[in-house]
Amino acid sequence: SSELTQDPAVSVALGQTVRITCQGDSLRSYYASWYQQKPGQAPVLVIYGKNNRPSGIPDRFSGSSSGNTASLTITGAQAEDEADYYCNSRDSSGNLVVFGGGTKLTVL
Amino acid sequence: QVQLQQWGAGLLKPSETLSLTCAVYGGSFSGYYWSWIRQPPGKGLEWIGEINHSGSTNYNPSLKSRVTISVDTSKNQFSLKLSSVTAADTAVYYCARARVVVVPAAIGGGSVYYMDVWGKGTTVTVSS
Repeated sequence: SSELTQDPAVSVALGQTVRITCQGDSLRSYYASWYQQKPGQAPVLVIYGKNNRPSGIPDRFSGSSSGNTASLTITGAQAEDEADYYCNSRDSSGNLVVFGGGTKLTVL
Repeated sequence: QVQLQQWGAGLLKPSETLSLTCAVYGGSFSGYYWSWIRQPPGKGLEWIGEINHSGSTNYNPSLKSRVTISVDTSKNQFSLKLSSVTAADTAVYYCARARVVVVPAAIGGGSVYYMDVWGKGTTVTVSS
């Protein structure tokens, strides 16, 4: 399968911890990468690999994976974390690229 | 710091060909996949295809018959052409740099794919 599945929407209280998940067969071969997208802006890479953050991404963002499921965790969510989050990897063949459908995160 | 600057026509009529170009500034062109992604209004991200510095391409099967991605290494640019557009092709189109890293087995194995640099996006509207 070349699909990645995400929950459409998740909410979290300000300052609490939230986990966003991504499932797909390709995640048994490829670590997921995670992107944050705010309205009217291009996506921004926030996590890649086992648990790597690009420069400038706060350390409240972390990643993990197990089997065919990858997770993005935000520990101590802030108002500015409200955004759409997408997971991404290559497919199991390695020849194609797949995105999850996206998760809309609301910070209450 | 690598930057991607993209441009192209923003308004097309049905059956016309979409044409976008993305220029790479401040970094090497080799060793990466150069990708196009689109996002219809209110919807998620859709991968269109990619090219590497040597010109090898991969395309989304759902668009493959209409897509051509090419590269001009002398200008550090890559381009997207999408033929026979319809209203369903209305979207924001992004270019992005991507890479694959193989993780040594000693530290877990597997591979990592990520898009670390993105263009700002070009809004393309298809309307008669």
